Amino acid sequence: KAGVTQTPRYLIKTRGQQVTLSCSPISGHRSVSWYQQTPGQGLQFLFEYFSETQRNKGNFPGRFSGRQFSNSRSEMNVSTLELGDSALYLCASSSQPSGGAEEQFFGPGTRLTVL
Amino acid sequence: DQQVKQNSPSLSVQEGRISILNCDYTNSMFDYFLWYKKYPAEGPTFLISISSIKDKNEDGRFTVFLNKSAKHLSLHIVPSQPGDSAVYFCAASVGSGGYQKVTFGTGTKLQVIP
Repeated sequence: KAGVTQTPRYLIKTRGQQVTLSCSPISGHRSVSWYQQTPGQGLQFLFEYFSETQRNKGNFPGRFSGRQFSNSRSEMNVSTLELGDSALYLCASSSQPSGGAEEQFFGPGTRLTVL
Repeated sequence: DQQVKQNSPSLSVQEGRISILNCDYTNSMFDYFLWYKKYPAEGPTFLISISSIKDKNEDGRFTVFLNKSAKHLSLHIVPSQPGDSAVYFCAASVGSGGYQKVTFGTGTKLQVIP
């Protein structure tokens, strides 16, 4: 069974630009969560989708948005990029409707650098 | 407000000895706790979990202890191996609206010295 895939793996953007990251969950998984990892901040929860609906959202500004498609693939968009958005963005999928109590399977992440 | 805290950003242990990674939490409503391990350039992978109704869970070399009164959990690795060198994240979840919301700690980088 293929794991969680994320594209692209690396991305360099400049301030003010916008970016879209993609995540394909494990086949059959309907819950997809997004996290931002920065040094010293750990994994900060962005949002979670289940069956194309956003069920939960973290404390990030409205510049961060996402969506999920009918095949459970998910995209995350960041508009008007700031230097502080430079981070590793991780996607995780889960087979459980709960999306969190059971183990999540993470992708390798997309390393975003904002110049 | 960091509800899940890992106060030690790094830890070094000799191979064969015990590694103890600690995690504190503030939300008494958390009912499930998990540990993840992360190697560089890879996503975190699930390691072990424990329900709030238990105080210990063991899986091979890994044991997680939960002290609810102290709002503290720890991961013990015995014996430690060089391949255990990684960043370890603890996570806690609470039911919300019919599903679980997960909060991760900041991570502890473990180095096992051969």
